[in-house]
Amino acid sequence: AQTVTQSQPEMSVQEAETVTLSCTYDTSESNYYLFWYKQPPSRQMILVIRQEAYKQQNATENRFSVNFQKAAKSFSLKISDSQLGDTAMYFCAFLALNYQLIWGAGTKLIIKP
Amino acid sequence: DTAVSQTPKYLVTQMGNDKSIKCEQNLGHDTMYWYKQDSKKFLKIMFSYNNKELIINETVPNRFSPKSPDKAHLNLHINSLELGDSAVYFCASSPLAGANSPLHFGNGTRLTVT
Repeated sequence: AQTVTQSQPEMSVQEAETVTLSCTYDTSESNYYLFWYKQPPSRQMILVIRQEAYKQQNATENRFSVNFQKAAKSFSLKISDSQLGDTAMYFCAFLALNYQLIWGAGTKLIIKP
Repeated sequence: DTAVSQTPKYLVTQMGNDKSIKCEQNLGHDTMYWYKQDSKKFLKIMFSYNNKELIINETVPNRFSPKSPDKAHLNLHINSLELGDSAVYFCASSPLAGANSPLHFGNGTRLTVT
């Protein structure tokens, strides 16, 4: 079965620090997509970053970057220069070939002033 | 297995038809949600129910009607389907209705309207 695991239920860091959220997954597929979503209090889910498994280069979006290790099935999210607005729940998700999204349990990230 | 389960996984139908998507959670959660995922993978909340009562109703055409027979179920009924309704719909649940309550998602239902 395909699974996504986020082992950190909650994390907190000081503003301007760098934080890394971990995500591991299990699949037998060779090509797939991975996502990090952010959920602020509004409850909307905002796509932070996506990675295609066949691309070796790690995706980056401004202060957000991933460390994608395909062999280890690891997909961590690094947030640099963290800001108060980064406080949210973060979900890792895996998109299988059948277009089903498999979700991790989420990590609550708190940025302290 | 404890989970949020949606049925069907795929739904292909013609314009003008009426269809339903079912969602069930056995996590004992009080709150359930429906999200629509657009082409940019942005998940937009549509409805939220807390203990069978509607608490969030975003700007959604009234062709979409949620129904919660009990707190473990939240079904989505769509009347007069349109091409623009094609999307992936996600059901989710959380222990509480608060903003910090973690969400547990179903695997989605891919709706294709032809």
